[in-house]
Amino acid sequence: DQQVKQNSPSLSVQEGRISILNCDYTNSMFDYFLWYKKYPAEGPTFLISISSIKDKNEDGRFTVFLNKSAKHLSLHIVPSQPGDSAVYFCAASAKRYGGSQGNLIFGKGTKLSVKP
Amino acid sequence: DTAVSQTPKYLVTQMGNDKSIKCEQNLGHDTMYWYKQDSKKFLKIMFSYNNKELIINETVPNRFSPKSPDKAHLNLHINSLELGDSAVYFCASSQDMANTGELFFGEGSRLTVL
Repeated sequence: DQQVKQNSPSLSVQEGRISILNCDYTNSMFDYFLWYKKYPAEGPTFLISISSIKDKNEDGRFTVFLNKSAKHLSLHIVPSQPGDSAVYFCAASAKRYGGSQGNLIFGKGTKLSVKP
Repeated sequence: DTAVSQTPKYLVTQMGNDKSIKCEQNLGHDTMYWYKQDSKKFLKIMFSYNNKELIINETVPNRFSPKSPDKAHLNLHINSLELGDSAVYFCASSQDMANTGELFFGEGSRLTVL
């Protein structure tokens, strides 16, 4: 029962172009969404987040878009750089989900490769 | 001075053994977590502690017992290890329990049960 789905296990992009990573969710109780980035042999690091009251949040080269009606969010990286090559995890949470506050539900991740 | 540090990074052991993974955070955070990343790459929460008090205990066998001697430490003890326990275990911390949830993760501890 995957509540957060990242259907593309991998994505390859040329340096300088746009990377678009997608994420779908099924639980309408989710009200906060985050993207984490993970390099090999390291723990995930927080990248950017968005609350369900917004449909866009931008931080430098990174922009997250939220489409609540479609239960879909995406992360745009423009321009992509080789150092962006990593696994990107989408995560979601709900303040009253199952009484377990602080419980982030993660997707399986998408491995992004940015080629020089 | 790693923010969230966990030891050991690698652990290879036999079925039936008991092992522990230690975690420490120097961020002054109130809440700490254990996540498990299995072979299918899902990151799933196991436990969370807020100020040394157990808050979340997901469906985890009771062979897994977290221990928080103080709010900067959350150790994971596993009894009677099974093959299916092989995974990467991540410790994490956050400022509080609010779900605006930036978590700070450790580097992970890869457990292999033979």
